[in-house]
Amino acid sequence: EDQVTQSPEALRLQEGESSSLNCSYTVSGLRGLFWYRQDPGKGPEFLFTLYSAGEEKEKERLKATLTKKESFLHITAPKPEDSATYLCAVQATSGTYKYIFGTGTRLKVLA
Amino acid sequence: DAGVTQSPTHLIKTRGQQVTLRCSPKSGHDTVSWYQQALGQGPQFIFQYYEEEERQRGNFPDRFSGHQFPNYSSELNVNALLLGDSALYLCASSPGRLAGGTSYNEQFFGPGTRLTVL
Repeated sequence: EDQVTQSPEALRLQEGESSSLNCSYTVSGLRGLFWYRQDPGKGPEFLFTLYSAGEEKEKERLKATLTKKESFLHITAPKPEDSATYLCAVQATSGTYKYIFGTGTRLKVLA
Repeated sequence: DAGVTQSPTHLIKTRGQQVTLRCSPKSGHDTVSWYQQALGQGPQFIFQYYEEEERQRGNFPDRFSGHQFPNYSSELNVNALLLGDSALYLCASSPGRLAGGTSYNEQFFGPGTRLTVL
């Protein structure tokens, strides 16, 4: 069964303290892995798509990487405005269109 | 360029009632997916509409139904509401066949509709 596991569930960082969020996935064949940011009560905001192992994407203080079993979202020198829940989703190649989401990592960055 | 829009923002219903939620996709997108997100959980796939047909369905009962219109907008209908249907309902659109390259299936989400069933 296709599934996505994110860790840790919650993370508290001091401003400027870099860290990484993990997304482990089990899927029959990977069409794409997607990272989203979600603020409380809002819809997920698209961040990155990764398609193949070894691929990396960057945006401001965020960098996403992909291996055959997991993805990491690296946050460099975070600021309080980076506080949000970060969601990871996968889409399989087996004739499916749905995204399978993890439960997310709640990030709190303290000033 | 308007993103994905959803209405209403909030909705309160009682058990047994019926509800209709609406979604307008991002400009240039022809595919609409619906998700249910319970508090503290990731979004769960309900179904996807493409060319006015339900293309794929998740593990949701028949009480959940939908429709897509010729202008690509979509509705989600839920009948016989249960307390457990209380959640944030998210609509996502993707470019589908209107896009080229590998970005055709990237999904962009609306702000959601918060449904509370009492």
